[in-house]
Amino acid sequence: DTGVSQNPRHKITKRGQNVTFRCDPISEHNRLYWYRQTLGQGPEFLTYFQNEAQLEKSRLLSDRFSAERPKGSFSTLEIQRTEQGDSAMYLCASRPQGRTGTEAFFGQGTRLTVV
Amino acid sequence: GENVEQHPSTLSVQEGDSAVIKCTYSDSASNYFPWYKQELGKRPQLIIDIRSNVGEKKDQRIAVTLNKTAKHFSLHITETQPEDSAVYFCAASYGSGGGNKLTFGTGTQLKVEL
Repeated sequence: DTGVSQNPRHKITKRGQNVTFRCDPISEHNRLYWYRQTLGQGPEFLTYFQNEAQLEKSRLLSDRFSAERPKGSFSTLEIQRTEQGDSAMYLCASRPQGRTGTEAFFGQGTRLTVV
Repeated sequence: GENVEQHPSTLSVQEGDSAVIKCTYSDSASNYFPWYKQELGKRPQLIIDIRSNVGEKKDQRIAVTLNKTAKHFSLHITETQPEDSAVYFCAASYGSGGGNKLTFGTGTQLKVEL
């Protein structure tokens, strides 16, 4: 499968624990995006990278959230001290840089449940 | 920032009928408008998109129209089939300072009944 890959697919964690998700984008895509989707809503932008540089963070991304893309390839999203309100689907997407109107490809997502 | 509104939230049609979903956006800088289909538990998948220099685009049973002046765009599905049942999201984005990040509407649950 040469598409966007996310791991794990599902994560159940206790409130207060830390969790980390991984996204492997399509190899030639230098832009990588993280979105969060709650039930019945559209995906909401969290942050994006161009290569290894994190260029924008949404105000939805509290200081408990951190994202990295150390070598400009895969990315990780960590949530510290999880809260029940963090329960959602976390989606990763990638696309080539600088081509307006080019499709963003989504991964299958990581569904987080905080109990 | 960009705000995208989408209507209706649910839409039920008979098989073979047409379905129309409408979206409005707020940021005149937006220049790319994709539509995604999301089946339960699956990833959003692009079904059609349109750039701001085009007023209409068609792909088989699916078409999208864009009115830049009014800042609205619509998805039209003709001859609907049961497999069209899913949630549809519109989105808007712009490059350069916008980073091509997508701002999504709240989705339309389409149900095609036999």
